[in-house]
Amino acid sequence: DAKTTQPPSMDCAEGRAANLPCNHSTISGNEYVYWYRQIHSQGPQYIIHGLKNNETNEMASLIITEDRKSSTLILPHATLRDTAVYYCIVRAMNTGTASKLTFGTGTRLQVTL
Amino acid sequence: DARVTQTPRHKVTEMGQEVTMRCQPILGHNTVFWYRQTMMQGLELLAYFRNRAPLDDSGMPKDRFSAEMPDATLATLKIQPSEPRDSAVYFCASGIDRGETQYFGPGTRLLVL
Repeated sequence: DAKTTQPPSMDCAEGRAANLPCNHSTISGNEYVYWYRQIHSQGPQYIIHGLKNNETNEMASLIITEDRKSSTLILPHATLRDTAVYYCIVRAMNTGTASKLTFGTGTRLQVTL
Repeated sequence: DARVTQTPRHKVTEMGQEVTMRCQPILGHNTVFWYRQTMMQGLELLAYFRNRAPLDDSGMPKDRFSAEMPDATLATLKIQPSEPRDSAVYFCASGIDRGETQYFGPGTRLLVL
């Protein structure tokens, strides 16, 4: 699976949009971009994933550049409960075996009042 | 609200003792993953199963760790004998085949003295 690079930490004011970047310049054509987050003392939680089109769900939006070498997770109206470590993971699908998640160090997002 | 459950939530033991951690995957999920999280190493995949068969346990120290799925509703991770360096949070996650999402349990916090 391709390697990802994320900033170690970011701050965001409550109510504002949080934009979390991720670089994955070696991504392959069959690899998806996944985002998980881990709130303190909890297990990781799935947020969203995409291949090449932008995606949106009730939690967030995922913007993937046309060349697919980078992406941005957007939390449109961050709240204090969004304070967590956010992991960007690139993962191949349909590999013939259950696909593994390889977690990097992630971005620690601190939402402040 | 379907969730992955893990027991015990906390475990303190002495070096040399056997430790057994249990995981109940979400009903209907056929893939189970065991992860370990430490401050130094982050989240690491130890082993995973599909349809109760082990697919990959290359991340697991073979001499002391063992993972099994006695039935579809129970996965176990055993450490014998335990060592202080095994102190970590152990997460279980479940999913469906090569599906999009892994659902994580709350973790077992293990301290080996």
